Amino acid sequence: QVQLVESGGGVVQPGGSLRLSCAASGFTFSRYPMHWVRQAPGKGLEWVAVISYDGTKEYYADSVMGRFTISRDNSKNTVFLQMNSLRAEDTASYYCARNLRDAYETSADWGDWFDPWGQGTLVTVSS
Amino acid sequence: DIQMTQSPSSVSASVGDRVTITCRASQVISSWLAWYQQKPGKAPKLLIYSASSVQSGVPSRFSGSGSGTAFTLTISSLQPEDFATYYCQQANDFPPTFGGGTKVEIK
Repeated sequence: QVQLVESGGGVVQPGGSLRLSCAASGFTFSRYPMHWVRQAPGKGLEWVAVISYDGTKEYYADSVMGRFTISRDNSKNTVFLQMNSLRAEDTASYYCARNLRDAYETSADWGDWFDPWGQGTLVTVSS
Repeated sequence: DIQMTQSPSSVSASVGDRVTITCRASQVISSWLAWYQQKPGKAPKLLIYSASSVQSGVPSRFSGSGSGTAFTLTISSLQPEDFATYYCQQANDFPPTFGGGTKVEIK
């Protein structure tokens, strides 16, 4: 079955860095755009970043532009989120999500719907 | 960015009730709308995409309608496992944006 498993979360000081990973299985990973979506404690959902199926295009939310970098390794079925210059407001559960439709069915490079989602990994930015 | 506004923010209902949640977009998004269900401590789950297409495996009591700027999610007969928070999301324009959520609580 399709599965996404995130790892790499933890506690980091303001200004620090963290790298999240998301290991995918059960589908042809190299055909799908992949997203990161976050949720601050007790708050709603915020889309963070997406990478195209082949890794050539990346898109970011304004709130993380210039600080976060999304990447992928199609040989290892894994997508990453490198987070630098972390701030208290980056504290959240971070979910990776597959785009519902593959690159050949999706009209926009940045994708459309998110399905499925991983279980999430918690990032806490605190001194 | 397109703003998505959900109403109500919370609703109390009983098992068997019909529940309707509304989502409004700040500009026309055609049918580029999805609905997600999230239970406490769990990841969101896609229920509806393209405003009215039901995702595989989702019970038939869930339905979506609307186009343009106004959309609804309807649960025809609320079941115990449906108590959760529901989010709408638009994919018409970049960046994708979510509504603030509607919590469906037990009455």
